[in-house]
Amino acid sequence: QVQLQQWGAGLLKPSETLSLTCAVYGGSFSDYYWTWIRQSPGKGLEWIGEINHSGSTNSSPSLKGRITISADTSKSQFSLKLTSVTAADTAVYYCTRGGSSYYRYYFDHWGQGTLVTVSS
Amino acid sequence: DIQMTQSPSSVSASVGDRVTFTCRASQGISNWLAWYQQKPRRAPKLLIYATSTLQGGVPSRFSGSRSGTDFNLTISSLQPEDVATYYCQQANSFPATFGPGTEVHIK
Repeated sequence: QVQLQQWGAGLLKPSETLSLTCAVYGGSFSDYYWTWIRQSPGKGLEWIGEINHSGSTNSSPSLKGRITISADTSKSQFSLKLTSVTAADTAVYYCTRGGSSYYRYYFDHWGQGTLVTVSS
Repeated sequence: DIQMTQSPSSVSASVGDRVTFTCRASQGISNWLAWYQQKPRRAPKLLIYATSTLQGGVPSRFSGSRSGTDFNLTISSLQPEDVATYYCQQANSFPATFGPGTEVHIK
């Protein structure tokens, strides 16, 4: 039974850095893509970025320059950092598991979600 | 980015009804389409991938199909536990993008 458990700060001030971590329990860490998706009332569900077991990352062009995704394979954990947050980054952030290779964009396991609010 | 649209935005039906809603992509995505169910205050749940393949554990009353550029999700007999918002998502090209969702209510 694969489970994703995520944690991180839920209230940030503008210009601060969002930091979230997701731990994967059960299943293989190395066979999949590990992805962050966020959901806000204004923009709906938005793919943010991904990392695979070898550390190869991709991220949304709209967040380019502000986003870092990393992984600690020894702990089966991956993390998201988003710098210089604004109110537009307020959303529920989910960590997810994408499939391997061609199925990387099918997200079959999700974390519980973390509401991140950016407010002064 | 590929834009996804869904219709209707909301549907209300009776228990036992057959319900179908539609998703369309702004560009060709072959059969690289998924459907997710999201209940209030819960994470989305993968129902169908590759247009019509049912994810393990998903009830057989859910089915997916494609007709030309339209992708459809059908619930053959609506149940009270199906009250949720349903999202389509294209998995054809970077970045993955989602539709705005269809809310399903019970009359």
